[in-house]
Amino acid sequence: NAGVTQTPKFQVLKTGQSMTLQCAQDMNHEYMSWYRQDPGMGLRLIHYSVGAGITDQGEVPNGYNVSRSTTEDFPLRLLSAAPSQTSVYFCASSNGLAGLYNEQFFGPGTRLTVL
Amino acid sequence: AQSVTQLGSHVSVSEGALVLLRCNYSSSVPPYLFWYVQYPNQGLQLLLKYTSAATLVKGINGFEAEFKKSETSFHLTKPSAHMSDAAEYFCAVSEGWNQGGKLIFGQGTELSVKP
Repeated sequence: NAGVTQTPKFQVLKTGQSMTLQCAQDMNHEYMSWYRQDPGMGLRLIHYSVGAGITDQGEVPNGYNVSRSTTEDFPLRLLSAAPSQTSVYFCASSNGLAGLYNEQFFGPGTRLTVL
Repeated sequence: AQSVTQLGSHVSVSEGALVLLRCNYSSSVPPYLFWYVQYPNQGLQLLLKYTSAATLVKGINGFEAEFKKSETSFHLTKPSAHMSDAAEYFCAVSEGWNQGGKLIFGQGTELSVKP
């Protein structure tokens, strides 16, 4: 299994541009999440999904959109990039069954810079 | 709302010394607690998790953590530090088994190990 994969690994955008960060998992996990990591702030939840067709907002959803058309994929869209969105973005997935108690598997991250 | 506080953004120990990374949580329900490790330029990897089965939890790489309800703490320890333990460590709390996509992270503690 490849686990959780993310593309691209690095991206530089200009203010106002849009882009999509890709995330895929091959573990048939129900739950998928997007976090952003900023120095001194840990990881903060942007959006999450409990299954195909179901998404919800996390702690910092503004400026981001998500959709979940398949179990495997959970793309994150930046509608109009701003310098405040410069961060490292992590996608994660988990089985979500009680027996696994929400252990999350993380992708390698996408480092985004907005100029 | 649940929250996590990690005391000390940077901890430095000598090789062979005890490692102690502190984590306190706030939760109105029995929590699920996790410690993750992040090596430079990588994603997060699960070290250990507390799921109410036992208060002393053993994880990978010789780490363990003890859940103390009276102190609302879940401190991470390792008896003897190794150079390879240098990384950033995150404590996290889950809002419940049916909230598999929602982890709340502390701000992280960077561990450095001196030879």
